[in-house]
Amino acid sequence: SQKIEQNSEALNIQEGKTATLTCNYTNYSPAYLQWYRQDPGRGPVFLLLIRENEKEKRKERLKVTFDTTLKQSLFHITASQPADSATYLCALDGTGFQKLVFGTGTRLLVSP
Amino acid sequence: EADIYQTPRYLVIGTGKKITLECSQTMGHDKMYWYQQDPGMELHLIHYSYGVNSTEKGDLSSESTVSRIRTEHFPLTLESARPSHTSQYLCASSDGQGRQPQHFGDGTRLSIL
Repeated sequence: SQKIEQNSEALNIQEGKTATLTCNYTNYSPAYLQWYRQDPGRGPVFLLLIRENEKEKRKERLKVTFDTTLKQSLFHITASQPADSATYLCALDGTGFQKLVFGTGTRLLVSP
Repeated sequence: EADIYQTPRYLVIGTGKKITLECSQTMGHDKMYWYQQDPGMELHLIHYSYGVNSTEKGDLSSESTVSRIRTEHFPLTLESARPSHTSQYLCASSDGQGRQPQHFGDGTRLSIL
């Protein structure tokens, strides 16, 4: 069956450290993968998009990798801050052009 | 600064009522989407539209209906609300060109008593 897996347990890290979140998928062949941030009671906010022919994408303190052999994407936040605390969702184009399938998200908690 | 607006933000209403959740965007996007999200769970696509007069059902079956008469407006309607419809409903839009990210509203949290 098709599924997208993100670590359901919250990730707790100290301010200044690098947070690494994982997104694994099964039985999909996505052309691209996206990462979103969601705060409690708010809608997701787009962060980064990476295409299947790209290994890595960076934006300020954020970095995303995409390994189509391992069927995995890693999302890194360097020099993390308490303001980075949120739930991070990965999404891929699993069922049709511009229709996204979302993972359940991983909650990140950055403590001062 | 929000470019996609959902109203109401919260709605508590009794069983059997007709409900319309509003969604409007000012970005001129062709594609619009409705998702349903329960606490701690993933977003599930329930409806989408590729443009005016185009609507399709999503991957999760829903008793709701949608319409797309104007580019900027994509309302969702429940003809007779039931407790099983209690959830958060999120609206999103994306540019019609290429594989663009989706822009989300802040959702409507719906509770049916």
